[in-house]
Amino acid sequence: DVQLVESGGGLIQPGGSLRLSCAASGFNVSDNYMSWVRQAPGKGLEWVSVIYSGGSTYYGDSVKGRFSISRDHSKNMVFLQMNSLRVEDTAVYYCAREFFYESGSRKIPQNWFDPWGQGTLVTVSS
Amino acid sequence: QSVLTQPPSASGTPGQRVTISCSGGSSHVGITHVYWYQQLPGAAPKLLIYANNQRPSGVPDRFSGSKSGTSASLAISGLRSEDEADYYCAAWDDTLSRRVFGGGTKLTVL
Repeated sequence: DVQLVESGGGLIQPGGSLRLSCAASGFNVSDNYMSWVRQAPGKGLEWVSVIYSGGSTYYGDSVKGRFSISRDHSKNMVFLQMNSLRVEDTAVYYCAREFFYESGSRKIPQNWFDPWGQGTLVTVSS
Repeated sequence: QSVLTQPPSASGTPGQRVTISCSGGSSHVGITHVYWYQQLPGAAPKLLIYANNQRPSGVPDRFSGSKSGTSASLAISGLRSEDEADYYCAAWDDTLSRRVFGGGTKLTVL
């Protein structure tokens, strides 16, 4: 059964650091694109970061330079290192497997997230 | 401000058919597939529709998706109380080179 389980969330002061973990079962994270998506309280979904199967990493503008995504093949886990945390980073963070391909002559990316983990809450507050 | 525009709310009575729209532009909805996610209260999002109109295994055929030009729609027929949830559309934004979501639509079953 394909499953993702996040951990590592909690209460942290502004300026602090936190490392989120995502444990996968039923598939290999190294063979897939893996993304983090967050949801601020009462708000919508915001894509945060992705690590490609080849190892390339990308970030949303709001976290670029502060967050870092990585993976551990032996543990079949994905991580999100969050530094210089801000109050506006408060959210539930979801880990998700991302399906990605490029279509047509223009190679337009097509991507979707399935499955999602249950999420882990990060609260940044003094 | 979300890149993809959805109505903040929608409602219907049991058995009714409701539609939720997702409008965008030529750099995303107009050139890519649209995906839909269902988020039940207190739960994680779940893939509902992929590639505009395809249903993953296990999703009832009461749910259907469509796309025309720069707009997409999610239709739910035979509305049931358990369909009460938040629904999000998503796509790739080719100008921003990133994944984008709509602001979400809260569906209430009256």
